[in-house]
Amino acid sequence: AQSVTQPDIHITVSEGASLELRCNYSYGATPYLFWYVQSPGQGLQLLLKYFSGDTLVQGIKGFEAEFKRSQSSFNLRKPSVHWSDAAEYFCAAAHSGNTPLVFGKGTRLSVIA
Amino acid sequence: NAGVMQNPRHLVRRRGQEARLRCSPMKGHSHVYWYRQLPEEGLKFMVYLQKENIIDESGMPKERFSAEFPKEGPSILRIQQVVRGDSAAYFCASSPVQALNSPLHFGNGTRLTVT
Repeated sequence: AQSVTQPDIHITVSEGASLELRCNYSYGATPYLFWYVQSPGQGLQLLLKYFSGDTLVQGIKGFEAEFKRSQSSFNLRKPSVHWSDAAEYFCAAAHSGNTPLVFGKGTRLSVIA
Repeated sequence: NAGVMQNPRHLVRRRGQEARLRCSPMKGHSHVYWYRQLPEEGLKFMVYLQKENIIDESGMPKERFSAEFPKEGPSILRIQQVVRGDSAAYFCASSPVQALNSPLHFGNGTRLTVT
């Protein structure tokens, strides 16, 4: 079955430190890949997406993600975390066509001073 | 340009009552998706609608749940005879076309509590 796995439920980083959130997918073929962020009490906002081409994708708010086919991964990174980055982060995937997005369970990011 | 509007933000229902959740997509968007988020879980797809048509309802429970997106007015997710397990956040998303390179715009959700 198609699935998206985010191994880390909760991550805490210090402000200014680098960040990497993990995402693995299980699909027959390379799916379209997305990262969304959800602030408390809010809906989801798209950070970035990967369809094809360059495996390093730049997104909003200084985030980037790297697609690695050999590892079936699409990890999200940020070189220097800000306190306002504290939120829930969701990785999602879908095939082309009519299939809906499949989300991982999310990783909650806490930022400490 | 208003985003996706969902109302109410919070809804409390007693077991056995009906819950109606509304979603007004962004202007110009004719594709609507409903997702459910349980505590400590990611979003689970429920249903995908275009105006007056249900395109994919593979994620909808077989009983008590229904959705519509009429020609005029918001999309409605209806849950009849609610049970405690229906307590969750329900998110609506819209897009102008049915294509993955057209990102989904999410509303802020309706948090349903069944007492």
